Amino acid sequence: GQSLEQPSEVTAVEGAIVQINCTYQTSGFYGLSWYQQHDGGAPTFLSYNGLDGLEETGRFSSFLSRSDSYGYLLLQELQMKDSASYFCAVKQGGKLIFGQGTELSVKP
Amino acid sequence: IAGITQAPTSQILAAGRRMTLRCTQDMRHNAMYWYRQDLGLGLRLIHYSNTAGTTGKGEVPDGYSVSRANTDDFPLTLASAVPSQTSVYFCASSDSGTGNEQFFGPGTRLTVL
Repeated sequence: GQSLEQPSEVTAVEGAIVQINCTYQTSGFYGLSWYQQHDGGAPTFLSYNGLDGLEETGRFSSFLSRSDSYGYLLLQELQMKDSASYFCAVKQGGKLIFGQGTELSVKP
Repeated sequence: IAGITQAPTSQILAAGRRMTLRCTQDMRHNAMYWYRQDLGLGLRLIHYSNTAGTTGKGEVPDGYSVSRANTDDFPLTLASAVPSQTSVYFCASSDSGTGNEQFFGPGTRLTVL
């Protein structure tokens, strides 16, 4: 079987740093992606890690440790507009298997 | 503007009726996908197509069928809708050459009564 675990909710204050963790258990693994979704709208791609290590894109960074089957999304300098749901997804061949999502609430 | 369009935006359907959700992309992506999203369950893959003329089953294919007659269109059909198919449906596409980023449509909110 395959499963991804991520926290259901995270709350942080504006300007802070927040880390959303994702652990996975899958039969095949080609990489870990992160997607953002605002208010049930179209999910949008944030980052992809195919190899171990840290990938940085502006205020967002993503990390992968394949030996630990673990990754995280790091959001820095939080803004109110970062309030959204964040999904990790394991790439298996050409397909994505999504986690259940973490709802991030950013407070003033 | 390049992207993915879905139709209808929302639909209320009587149980037992047939329904086709439409999805069109103009990015010339080889791969396309259908997901359903239910509260607390994230996005679950229904069917996918790696290239025109081929389709495959995802995590939750029962009760759904797809076709891929050309690169741009990937319709999803519910042959006989049931209330458990009430959900938000997202279509997505990716360039199978890189395949790391999927582009999602705006979604179709379907209610089966």
